[in-house]
Amino acid sequence: GQQLNQSPQSMFIQEGEDVSMNCTSSSIFNTWLWYKQDPGEGPVLLIALYKAGELTSNGRLTAQFGITRKDSFLNISASIPSDVGIYFCAGQDNNAGNMLTFGGGTRLMVKP
Amino acid sequence: GAGVSQSPSNKVTEKGKDVELRCDPISGHTALYWYRQSLGQGLEFLIYFQGNSAPDKSGLPSDRFSAERTGGSVSTLTIQRTQQEDSAVYLCASNPQSLINYGYTFGSGTRLTVV
Repeated sequence: GQQLNQSPQSMFIQEGEDVSMNCTSSSIFNTWLWYKQDPGEGPVLLIALYKAGELTSNGRLTAQFGITRKDSFLNISASIPSDVGIYFCAGQDNNAGNMLTFGGGTRLMVKP
Repeated sequence: GAGVSQSPSNKVTEKGKDVELRCDPISGHTALYWYRQSLGQGLEFLIYFQGNSAPDKSGLPSDRFSAERTGGSVSTLTIQRTQQEDSAVYLCASNPQSLINYGYTFGSGTRLTVV
């Protein structure tokens, strides 16, 4: 089956630093999604990408859908303490119904 | 409702007991999903309901796990004869249409602890 490799697994950074995380897949996806999970909560959608090469921003967040359709990255600029949480990538394959495959998550810790 | 509601938020049970976890999806959402998140891990797919179609049960880890969705709305995930390895956060999500492009909306989860 499809697998998503997400890296890094965790990051501990200083407030104000930029952050980058990425996901790679063994197969093609039609849609890439990035979620954030706060402690004790369910994941919340941050950004959705629908076209290969697409670059989308949402405030301090920027994500790109890789040209090969097998990868995506998420950047966070000028991190702040509330960015702490677990970030998940997810891919959707139209040929697999509407199931999402999730990466293993990146745990982000921000030091004030 | 305004969001996906799950209950209970926390459940502690003794090994060997049965548990039922409930999910109220967003009104009108035809697709409903159950995922399991073990401590520090990613999201493991369990089961998927879409309208009146037969559910996709391919992610259920054993025959101790089952789920139903009544009237196309509320869903119940049942774990029989719970084991310690069943301890995890069980997340429910729903989606308004057959195309997933708008992403799932997740509930806050039920944290299950088997002692």
